[in-house]
Amino acid sequence: DIQMTQSPSSVSASVGDRVTITCRASQGISTWLAWYQQKPGKAPKLLIYAASSLQSGVPSRFSGSGSGTDFTLTISSLQPEDFATYYCQQASSFPPAFGPGTKVDIK
Amino acid sequence: QVTLKESGPALVKPTQTLTLTCTFSGFSLSTSGMRVNWIRQPPGKALEWLARIDWDDDKFYSTSLKTRLTISKDTSKNQVVLTMTNMDPVDTATYYCARMIVGATIFDYWGQGTLVTVSS
Repeated sequence: DIQMTQSPSSVSASVGDRVTITCRASQGISTWLAWYQQKPGKAPKLLIYAASSLQSGVPSRFSGSGSGTDFTLTISSLQPEDFATYYCQQASSFPPAFGPGTKVDIK
Repeated sequence: QVTLKESGPALVKPTQTLTLTCTFSGFSLSTSGMRVNWIRQPPGKALEWLARIDWDDDKFYSTSLKTRLTISKDTSKNQVVLTMTNMDPVDTATYYCARMIVGATIFDYWGQGTLVTVSS
């Protein structure tokens, strides 16, 4: 099975900051990667698929990049509603696997 | 508009069998390419994929939980049911059902989740 790791596990940032989260797969997954945002008590929300494609309705301040084993999610200018936990997920092979999450909280 | 909603007991005892129902609308599981999954999240922890059922009744299970899980569908009722046997306190989690994007192993719509606590 493919294992996913994320770094950092948490990041403290201020409104307006640029935030970058890294995700690494234990083996190459091409661009078969998705990013989700989860707020407390809520279900995850799909942000990005195919490593860099923005899901409909997601603000353009979110962007994704990478291929193979290393990926990044960038929030260009952090907004109050972006404080949440972010998960990556490999979509390359069975079974689908999520990273451990990165919590973005207020500095 | 696609919606999914989980239902089931909030509390189960150790060794009991858990039965969860996902009731959905806005799509049909008889449509080619449609797939519904179950995913869980222990309190404060990460997401764990559990099982999937496809429009053609193909079924897939987590390797580590395969012996305890059964997934089924009732297309006429727009429901997917997950049973998990021999529940243990470590199975305490929020259980989500989620639709998979056609042609990709990515979850585009999720239910609100239902918290299941395993305790005597």
